[in-house]
Amino acid sequence: RKEVEQDPGPFNVPEGATVAFNCTYSNSASQSFFWYRQDCRKEPKLLMSVYSSGNEDGRFTAQLNRASQYISLLIRDSKLSDSATYLCVVPISGGYNKLIFGAGTRLAVHP
Amino acid sequence: NAGVTQTPKFQVLKTGQSMTLQCAQDMNHNSMYWYRQDPGMGLRLIYYSASEGTTDKGEVPNGYNVSRLNKREFSLRLESAAPSQTSVYFCASSEAFPDTQYFGPGTRLTVL
Repeated sequence: RKEVEQDPGPFNVPEGATVAFNCTYSNSASQSFFWYRQDCRKEPKLLMSVYSSGNEDGRFTAQLNRASQYISLLIRDSKLSDSATYLCVVPISGGYNKLIFGAGTRLAVHP
Repeated sequence: NAGVTQTPKFQVLKTGQSMTLQCAQDMNHNSMYWYRQDPGMGLRLIYYSASEGTTDKGEVPNGYNVSRLNKREFSLRLESAAPSQTSVYFCASSEAFPDTQYFGPGTRLTVL
């Protein structure tokens, strides 16, 4: 099993739609999680951090389910500008500290 | 503040050539990282520097070397480029692990 797995998509949704992505992780010891956003041919940028059960920032909600070892990202009222790839990131400590990046889920919002 | 800068933005090499990718950050961060990103795969850590004066191997270090020149600068060197090193290379920095990492704009490298 990969350390971090995401559905690659693409998710094609109309403006105004609600869309959700899931990310599963294998390391049960991980305590914090991140969602990064990456626009086409650009660098990743932090979207949200998730330290406990979840986090909300405007139209974006991240939730953590430790029992099932998955993190979700919910986007409400999708905008054209939300079109991007969303990367699930899991820090793993021990040996050497590292961030494990998922391959990303691509979202395309159309008019 | 410029954040994290990388040079060059694009590079084409022939097999066996060498080159150095430069990275600098102006956020006074302790930790710096080099990743590569290949289609369909997540970013993979090549090398990192937890603090000035230290460097450590990441997940895919073979074929690369690094230098943490000072707190601001962290360079990545390919001694003898191979086609398998064709990729997009990102440098990143953070205050510490696992704080938010700030990425540079990337270097697109093609090895023929």
